[in-house]
Amino acid sequence: AQTVTQSQPEMSVQEAETVTLSCTYDTSESDYYLFWYKQPPSRQMILVIRQEAYKQQNATENRFSVNFQKAAKSFSLKISDSQLGDAAMYFCAVESGGGADGLTFGKGTHLIIQP
Amino acid sequence: ETGVTQTPRHLVMGMTNKKSLKCEQHLGHNAMYWYKQSAKKPLELMFVYNFKEQTENNSVPSRFSPECPNSSHLFLHLHTLQPEDSALYLCASSQEIRGPRGTEAFFGQGTRLTVV
Repeated sequence: AQTVTQSQPEMSVQEAETVTLSCTYDTSESDYYLFWYKQPPSRQMILVIRQEAYKQQNATENRFSVNFQKAAKSFSLKISDSQLGDAAMYFCAVESGGGADGLTFGKGTHLIIQP
Repeated sequence: ETGVTQTPRHLVMGMTNKKSLKCEQHLGHNAMYWYKQSAKKPLELMFVYNFKEQTENNSVPSRFSPECPNSSHLFLHLHTLQPEDSALYLCASSQEIRGPRGTEAFFGQGTRLTVV
């Protein structure tokens, strides 16, 4: 069974600063995908970034980047130049069962942006 | 707008009621999912459908009954629920299971269910 651990229930960062959200996971799969999702107060889960486990290069999407350490099973999210609109719950997820079992999510990190 | 629409947005029902949640996706995806999101807990996968066939039932009580008439529509029929079933129910879709982009799921805004 897959597990995802997000050890930071809440993080706070000043606007324009950089913040890193941590995530560790465990899976028996050799080939899998990892995701970070954002859930603002509107409740809509929005995909932030995706990483293929077979790729060593860290994924980047504008101000969002990941630090993927496969051996350590670590998948942290870095948000640069934080903006007020980044305030949300952030969930780390790993694909389960080769995809047949959907996604396994962590408990989430509540990100607060201070103006 | 992500192309996944859920109705209703909010639902209050008694324990003896029967109600249904609806999910519709306009993304041309072939896999659809129901997740349950409770306070202080990770999202829990409930059901998976791939090309209209149910591929996963994650030990969900029979008072939850899914239906997938076609690849664009997914229902969750509810009957004789318990107060602990109160949660946010999220529908998601993906291109397919084990597709080239992994299980990259697109979510609806959810139905906030309260059982009284």
